[in-house]
Amino acid sequence: NAGVIQTPRHKVTGKGQEATLWCEPISGHSAVFWYRQTIVQGLEFLTYFRNQAPIDDSGMPKERFSAQMPNQSHSTLKIQSTQPQDSAVYLCASSLDLRLGGREQYFGPGTRLTVL
Amino acid sequence: TQTVSQSDAHVTVFEGDSVELRCNYSYGGSIYLSWYIQHHGRGLQFLLKYYSGNPVVQGVNGFEAEFSKSDSSFHLRKASVHWSDSAVYFCAVNAQGLTFGLGTRVSVFP
Repeated sequence: NAGVIQTPRHKVTGKGQEATLWCEPISGHSAVFWYRQTIVQGLEFLTYFRNQAPIDDSGMPKERFSAQMPNQSHSTLKIQSTQPQDSAVYLCASSLDLRLGGREQYFGPGTRLTVL
Repeated sequence: TQTVSQSDAHVTVFEGDSVELRCNYSYGGSIYLSWYIQHHGRGLQFLLKYYSGNPVVQGVNGFEAEFSKSDSSFHLRKASVHWSDSAVYFCAVNAQGLTFGLGTRVSVFP
């Protein structure tokens, strides 16, 4: 089991460019989460999918951020027109079906996004 | 609204010492509390959880935590720390997406 895989590990973009971050959850996990980690704000929940369906995106900035899960083996987080304040480590996590009590989340190593 | 407060930003201990990391929460729903550890440059790793039952829960590597409804707390403890326990520890409460505290950095010296 390779764990949660996130690519790329590091990404540098210029202000105004688009960034797409990829996440491959653990096989068999039906829930996928995205978080953002910064020194100032700490760990912030962004969005959550269950069985590929978006369930809760209450943490997503309303503009420029979008997340998708086109199949059970990967999810993407896309940031359009990146701004310096988007610089952060973006963490993806997966877990077993929450309704069956599988609430432990398994985190990937994160993607460090730097916006110049 | 759910919030998690970790009162200590940084704790310094020596190998073999005991350590307690404090976590207080506010949440109006069914409680699910957990602790995660993050070593430098790595992703978070699950340590332990409380959902119901015995308020003292055991985790990996000798960690345990105790839930107190009256104090709204879920403090993490270890009786004898090792240098490899140096990391940042996050307390979290959730219904679905986790709400984390700001973390406590633990530095273990030989």
